Amino acid sequence: SQQGEEDPQALSIQEGENATMNCSYKTSINNLQWYRQNSGRGLVHLILIRSNEREKHSGRLRVTLDTSKKSSSLLITASRAADTASYFCATGAAGNKLTFGGGTRVLVKP
Amino acid sequence: DAGITQSPRHKVTETGTPVTLRCHQTENHRYMYWYRQDPGHGLRLIHYSYGVKDTDKGEVSDGYSVSRSKTEDFLLTLESATSSQTSVYFCAIADAGTGELFFGEGSRLTVL
Repeated sequence: SQQGEEDPQALSIQEGENATMNCSYKTSINNLQWYRQNSGRGLVHLILIRSNEREKHSGRLRVTLDTSKKSSSLLITASRAADTASYFCATGAAGNKLTFGGGTRVLVKP
Repeated sequence: DAGITQSPRHKVTETGTPVTLRCHQTENHRYMYWYRQDPGHGLRLIHYSYGVKDTDKGEVSDGYSVSRSKTEDFLLTLESATSSQTSVYFCAIADAGTGELFFGEGSRLTVL
C-alpha cells in the first residue's frame, strides 16, 4: 500500500487563486518531498522538507510538515495555467527509497 | 535536465514474451530506481540499485528482475510479460546528498 495519500484527488481552480493539497503518511520519515508531473512526462522535484523542519518556501510554493499528525500540505499561491499538473508527495525513510502517494490532479482554468 | 534516458519509450508486446527496458544516466549517481505508474496507484517501486551489482526489491517486484553491470545502466526485465504489466515505467536516479530524485520520461509498455 502507498505510504503517502494525497487529498483531494482532484482540484479545479481559477488562475490567480491558491491551490492547497494535503498528504498523509503512516510511518516515520526522514524527509518528505513534493513532485509535479505534467501530462505524459516524468516527475519533477519541487521541494524537500526534512523531518525536523516545519515549513519551507520555494517561490510560490509553501510546504508544511506536521510529524505529530503525519501530514504535510503543499500550497501554490497565485496559480497559473502552467501549474496544471498532477502533484505527488513522496516520503523518504532509510535506504534512499521514496514511497509515493496517488497524487492530486490540479486544473488551473484561465 | 538531468542526464537520464529511457529506452524504448514505447513498446507493444504479446503475453509471454520477454521485455527489457533500459535506463541510462550520465550523472554517475549511485542510486537508481524503477517505478511503475498505473491509474489509481500512483508510482510504485519495483526494484532499486545502490551500486554496481547491488540491487534490492521494491513493493511490486514479482515478475521483474533487474541488473546493473555498470554505474550508468540499470536494466529492468520482464521474463514473461503479462497483461497486468501493462503500465508506464519510470526510471529515476537519486542525488544521494539531497535525496532528490530525477526521473526519465517514461517507457509505455502495452502487453496484449
